[in-house]
Amino acid sequence: EAGVTQFPSHSVIEKGQTVTLRCDPISGHDNLYWYRRVMGKEIKFLLHFVKESKQDESGMPNNRFLAERTGGTYSTLKVQPAELEDSGVYFCASSHLLTNEKLFFGSGTQLSVL
Amino acid sequence: GQNIDQPTEMTATEGAIVQINCTYQTSGFNGLFWYQQHAGEAPTFLSYNVLDGLEEKGRFSSFLSRSKGYSYLLLKELQMKDSASYLCAVRGFYNQGGKLIFGQGTELSVKP
Repeated sequence: EAGVTQFPSHSVIEKGQTVTLRCDPISGHDNLYWYRRVMGKEIKFLLHFVKESKQDESGMPNNRFLAERTGGTYSTLKVQPAELEDSGVYFCASSHLLTNEKLFFGSGTQLSVL
Repeated sequence: GQNIDQPTEMTATEGAIVQINCTYQTSGFNGLFWYQQHAGEAPTFLSYNVLDGLEEKGRFSSFLSRSKGYSYLLLKELQMKDSASYLCAVRGFYNQGGKLIFGQGTELSVKP
């Protein structure tokens, strides 16, 4: 069974540019989460999808961040325009609707904004 | 506020036992999780405690005391491959599903 995959693994962009991160959850997992780890800090929740619906987006930093999950399969997280403080590792995680205790994480996207 | 504390770093010897502590103060509690993360890899699920007591799973055990806001992860018969970051995380409320509050992680180094 394929795990959670994220693309790209690394992205280096300049301040003001746009970046789109992609997450493919485990097949059949209706729950999809985005988390972020800024250097020196803990992993923090960004938002939660159930299928294609945003269940909770209380962790999104500001309106420069846009997450979508059209069709309830893969998800994208767009940062536009990127700022220096957006640098960090962005993790995606998924879980089955009924066994939500166990999250499966992807390896993350290391985003560097210069 | 929400706060989860765990030691930043620990060192232990191969074959030994190590205990990684985690204390938490959260507005609600519906489960405590431990994840293992090797550098550059995905965090992987180790254990889940929602009731007080010890949960044992092979070489790894996790303990929870809700009244004390305290948990520990116990690793026995340490192996070099156990060198990793260990993340303590709390779910505040049942309906929050996989919305977790993480500690900063404990970097464990296992020496020969």
